[in-house]
Amino acid sequence: EAQVTQNPRYLITVTGKKLTVTCSQNMNHEYMSWYRQDPGLGLRQIYYSMNVEATDKGDVPEGYKVSRKEKRNFPLILESPSPNQTSLYFCASRRGGSDTQYFGPGTRLTVL
Amino acid sequence: LAKTTQPVSMDSYEGQEVNITCSHNNIATNDYITWYQQFPSQGPRFIIQGYKTKVTNEVASLFIPADRKSSTLSLPRVSLSDTAVYYCLVGPYTGGFKTIFGAGTRLFVKA
Repeated sequence: EAQVTQNPRYLITVTGKKLTVTCSQNMNHEYMSWYRQDPGLGLRQIYYSMNVEATDKGDVPEGYKVSRKEKRNFPLILESPSPNQTSLYFCASRRGGSDTQYFGPGTRLTVL
Repeated sequence: LAKTTQPVSMDSYEGQEVNITCSHNNIATNDYITWYQQFPSQGPRFIIQGYKTKVTNEVASLFIPADRKSSTLSLPRVSLSDTAVYYCLVGPYTGGFKTIFGAGTRLFVKA
């Protein structure tokens, strides 16, 4: 089944404790992206990747890192999480030459 | 990327047709218009995409006037399960992946 998976789905952590949220897609898509969603603000793009070893900043990249060492994986790294990064995070992918994005199920992160 | 403007919320009743309009005055020549649907705590799901005139699929229709400065998503005979947030996006078909979603339109369908 074609899908985008994220792990973990739920995470509660404390300020300053490094964490990684994984994202994987099995559709051989070139493009992958991370979004955060907060009440009243819709989805805001954090980082995106056009292919392996090619990433760029979205609208809200501060406090986040990403890497794209393999085509299928695009982890989101929070080196020193803070409470303002408490949010619902979505990973998405799309095929080159298409504008249709496929989203993962989301990761609900709480930073205390 | 072109900025989009949509109504914040809309109410409807089951069985009615719902039209959600999106304004995108600065749409570029190579931009497409894409609509997504999102249920609470789920990722957005693609509904429909178009470039000009009218596009129809099994779920919705998309009407785009000749000047392309707006578009209307039409949902025929809505049901309670169509209660969701609907996002209009405008962007190039190819190229980068920078995306602006906006706040979307919250549609509430009542019995």
